[in-house]
Amino acid sequence: QQPVQSPQAVILREGEDAVINCSSSKALYSVHWYRQKHGEAPVFLMILLKGGEQKGHEKISASFNEKKQQSSLYLTASQLSYSGTYFCGTEANSGYALNFGKGTSLLVTP
Amino acid sequence: NAGVTQTPKFQVLKTGQSMTLQCAQDMNHNSMYWYRQDPGMGLRLIYYSASEGTTDKGEVPNGYNVSRLNKREFSLRLESAAPSQTSVYFCASSPRDSNQPQHFGDGTRLSIL
Repeated sequence: QQPVQSPQAVILREGEDAVINCSSSKALYSVHWYRQKHGEAPVFLMILLKGGEQKGHEKISASFNEKKQQSSLYLTASQLSYSGTYFCGTEANSGYALNFGKGTSLLVTP
Repeated sequence: NAGVTQTPKFQVLKTGQSMTLQCAQDMNHNSMYWYRQDPGMGLRLIYYSASEGTTDKGEVPNGYNVSRLNKREFSLRLESAAPSQTSVYFCASSPRDSNQPQHFGDGTRLSIL
């Protein structure tokens, strides 16, 4: 089942912060975050595992609330290069395929 | 190191024609995936292969078939193309491990008239 992302779109000025949320109706084992620029392939950002282990990108952080089946991606001091569409992918059990959300479009303006 | 390679990059078909989309990875990954991406719909899983010799249906498998030819290659076939299958198709691969990301190819842009 497809996770729900919010907001659908956000516009920021350079240097501002943003939070993107991802919610699932099912218990989750892991949450993956990807960013896609227009006309390109999705690129990996972050993985969050059940139990709190975190991997990922230097300047972007994320949290995973297992009880609420939610994850949030935090972009601080946004840069122009952060523009793109952000997708969360959720995994119900280890080794299963990901279900991706519909994406959040982020535009950072000068 | 090429990563995940998809061919062709662009294709236009007529309704009813058949076509195979090719995908190959050189990272020795066990798992491979086919997604379609339509505006506003995100990435939807068509089929996946957890390991060589196995394939499973995803969210939107109707109208497609797949073959995991060997560990490197995973092809997607449209037997009788329909306009509703106009989309961007992405192939991805990963080690069979939740700690590791999926790596995506550059996509195939398919239009069916």
